[in-house]
Amino acid sequence: QKEVEQDPGPLSVPEGAIVSLNCTYSNSAFQYFMWYRQYSRKGPELLMYTYSSGNKEDGRFTAQVDKSSKYISLFIRDSQPSDSATYLCAMKGTGYGNKLVFGAGTILRVKS
Amino acid sequence: GAVVSQHPSRVICKSGTSVKIECRSLDFQATTMFWYRQFPKQSLMLMATSNEGSKATYEQGVEKDKFLINHASLTLSTLTVTSAHPEDSSFYICSATPPAQTHETQYFGPGTRLLVL
Repeated sequence: QKEVEQDPGPLSVPEGAIVSLNCTYSNSAFQYFMWYRQYSRKGPELLMYTYSSGNKEDGRFTAQVDKSSKYISLFIRDSQPSDSATYLCAMKGTGYGNKLVFGAGTILRVKS
Repeated sequence: GAVVSQHPSRVICKSGTSVKIECRSLDFQATTMFWYRQFPKQSLMLMATSNEGSKATYEQGVEKDKFLINHASLTLSTLTVTSAHPEDSSFYICSATPPAQTHETQYFGPGTRLLVL
């Protein structure tokens, strides 16, 4: 079993839809949670970072963490074609030093 | 702020040659940088952690003599793929963390696409 599970998709939605991207994890040592967006042939771009259970909002993006269920989500409101990319969840915790553990990434396609 | 650059962005080389990839933190000093490898449609795989002034720490299964890492200054780390072979063709990405932050966040470079013929 992988430490971080993420559905690779692709997830295809119409423009304006609310997108929900999710990751589950097995190790309770993970304490810090991040979402990265990666466009094709580019490096990942940090979107959201959080370390506590609950919601964190930034513009159209909301990151949600439920440590009791070991489940994190990224919601995108009013999705745009420019949101089409691969979304990677990443986690870090005690015993991992500075290393990030990544999910496989979910391919999102927003159709206009 | 927190911009990381890589050079070159793309390189094609012949089998058996060595290729050097540079990773620079442009607006901050980074005592630690990370090197990743990404195959098509797959996630990032950490290769090694590059520490300024000391030896890099390699992940299990990564050949340290094949992938030479030098972190000569607080803004520059280099990855040299020695005696490259076609199976080394991949997307290589570096990342760094600004010192004011507590290493939870990493900022990534744009990546270097290596094609070995």
